Amino acid sequence: DTGVSQDPRHKITKRGQNVTFRCDPISEHNRLYWYRQTLGQGPEFLTYFQNEAQLEKSRLLSDRFSAERPKGSFSTLEIQRTEQGDSAMYLCASSSDRGFIYEQYFGPGTRLTVT
Amino acid sequence: LAKTTQPISMDSYEGQEVNITCSHNNIATNDYITWYQQFPSQGPRFIIQGYKTKVTNEVASLFIPADRKSSTLSLPRVSLSDTAVYYCLVASSPYSGGGADGLTFGKGTHLIIQP
Repeated sequence: DTGVSQDPRHKITKRGQNVTFRCDPISEHNRLYWYRQTLGQGPEFLTYFQNEAQLEKSRLLSDRFSAERPKGSFSTLEIQRTEQGDSAMYLCASSSDRGFIYEQYFGPGTRLTVT
Repeated sequence: LAKTTQPISMDSYEGQEVNITCSHNNIATNDYITWYQQFPSQGPRFIIQGYKTKVTNEVASLFIPADRKSSTLSLPRVSLSDTAVYYCLVASSPYSGGGADGLTFGKGTHLIIQP
């Protein structure tokens, strides 16, 4: 068990550019979640997948945000036409059917800075 | 969605037992109570989950009274390394079509342990 990994750990981009983040969940976990966290706030849920199916995406912040999980393995979160308000930590988590309902394992996050 | 209320911050000393209480007056029959811990620049870490009465694991205990309108996370003999933000989440399973409201973290309780 190598844990949840995220890449890159830090991303600096200019306003208007597109960015894509990758998350590799724990290998036997079938559920994957994306969150955004800003300073002083708790993680804000964005979307989640069960295997390759995206079961909840209404919380994505705008139509500039999209996520995929091809083949039910790794996932990507893309933000198009970034804005300064998108600067935040983006967290990925995964969980298994065999664990507690909300026993999620979080990755280290990708810190996005939009200049 | 059962909204939660936690103290914003708490202080204690090494070796003491710390109890953090979360109020959730509108908790529903199918809701579970989950606690997470988060250190700076890291993703949250699952601590414990319960439905009623008392749950104990190797790091904490969770006390839930009969009316389930509150819960208390108990950390025995804290150390400096327990300084972190603690989040209480209350909701039913999102995997049965009920949406993902349970994946909403509040602002949490910032616990500071002093020598």
